[in-house]
Amino acid sequence: AQSVTQLDSHVSVSEGTPVLLRCNYSSSYSPSLFWYVQHPNKGLQLLLKYTSAATLVKGINGFEAEFKKSETSFHLTKPSAHMSDAAEYFCVVSDWGGTALIFGKGTTLSVSS
Amino acid sequence: EAGVTQSPTHLIKTRGQQATLRCSPISGHTSVYWYQQALGLGLQFLLWYDEGEERNRGNFPPRFSGRQFPNYSSELNVNALELEDSALYLCASSSREGPNQPQHFGDGTRLSIL
Repeated sequence: AQSVTQLDSHVSVSEGTPVLLRCNYSSSYSPSLFWYVQHPNKGLQLLLKYTSAATLVKGINGFEAEFKKSETSFHLTKPSAHMSDAAEYFCVVSDWGGTALIFGKGTTLSVSS
Repeated sequence: EAGVTQSPTHLIKTRGQQATLRCSPISGHTSVYWYQQALGLGLQFLLWYDEGEERNRGNFPPRFSGRQFPNYSSELNVNALELEDSALYLCASSSREGPNQPQHFGDGTRLSIL
């Protein structure tokens, strides 16, 4: 069965410092992986998507993620945090075969000035 | 381009009542997904509709049901409401069949059960 584990429930960084949000996945098939962001009282916005093309995926707002099959990881990074990055981030896995998206429990990113 | 729209924004019901939530997908999208985001339980998949048919269902009781109309909009119905149904219900749409396609989310309907 497919699953995704977000290793940190809460990450705090200072503005201008790097961001690392960690995600490990488990999938019996070649997975599609996504990162979504949710700002308070809002729906989810797609940050980036991996679907077996380049292992380094660039997304919106300066975020990127690297797919590492050997480590079953798909960590999200950003070189320099901005205050507006403060939100909930979800790592998501999907396998073709009719299964819908499976969400991690989320990581809350706090950014201090 | 208009995004996914959900109505109402908030809905307050009492135990045992029925709730109807509505979703309009992005123009051209044929797939609609429903998710429940309950406090402490995270985001859980509820239902997936495509071309008017229910394609997949999450681990929820039958009192959670829905439908998709010919214009691809969708309704989620929750019967015999229970306190634990209080949650944010999110609708998403995608352009092609299959969960591998990026999903675009609405801002949700917050359902409160008193």
